[in-house]
Amino acid sequence: QVQLVQSGAEVKKSGASVKVSCKASGYTFTGHYIHWVRQAPGQGLEWMGWINPNIGGIKYAQKFQGRVTMTSDTSVSTAYMELTRLTSDDTAVYYCARDYISARGTWFDFWGQGTLVSVSS
Amino acid sequence: DIQMTQSPSSLSASVGDRVTIACRASQSISTYLNWYQHKPGKAPKLLIYAASSLQSGVPSRFSGSGSGPDFTLTISSLQPEDFATYSCQQTHTTPYTFGQGTKLEIK
Repeated sequence: QVQLVQSGAEVKKSGASVKVSCKASGYTFTGHYIHWVRQAPGQGLEWMGWINPNIGGIKYAQKFQGRVTMTSDTSVSTAYMELTRLTSDDTAVYYCARDYISARGTWFDFWGQGTLVSVSS
Repeated sequence: DIQMTQSPSSLSASVGDRVTIACRASQSISTYLNWYQHKPGKAPKLLIYAASSLQSGVPSRFSGSGSGPDFTLTISSLQPEDFATYSCQQTHTTPYTFGQGTKLEIK
């Protein structure tokens, strides 16, 4: 069965960086993009970007350009999201999600369990 | 960016009720619209994709409709496990934006 298992909760100071991992199993890792989505307390879901593990292509939301780096390691079927220059506004649960792409669109059919990143000053 | 606006932002209902949640895009997105359910401490769950297609394993009491800018999610007969937050998402154009969520609570 398809599973995305994320790394554990992180507590960081303002200005630091965080790197969250997302280990995939149960499917061909290079066959689907991995997206990163976050949810801050009391807020809606926010899309951060995607990585194509097959060729390493990436697309970041403009909001995170310059601060986010998404990578993948096909040898261990794992995607990573690193966010730098953290502020309290980055306190959120971060999710990875696998997409399914068809002529009818794109949707996120499997999600990781979420990683809480707490940023304090 | 395409803005997604859901209404209502919260809703109280009883088991057995029929519930409809609306989602409006700031521009036409054809049927590139998905619905997710999420509960505290759990990963979001895909319910409906491409505006009206039911994801495998999702109960048939969930349905979606609409195209262009206006969409709805309907739950035909609420069950206790349906009390959660529901979010729409457009995948017409990056950034793939979500609605702010509709919290469905027990009356």
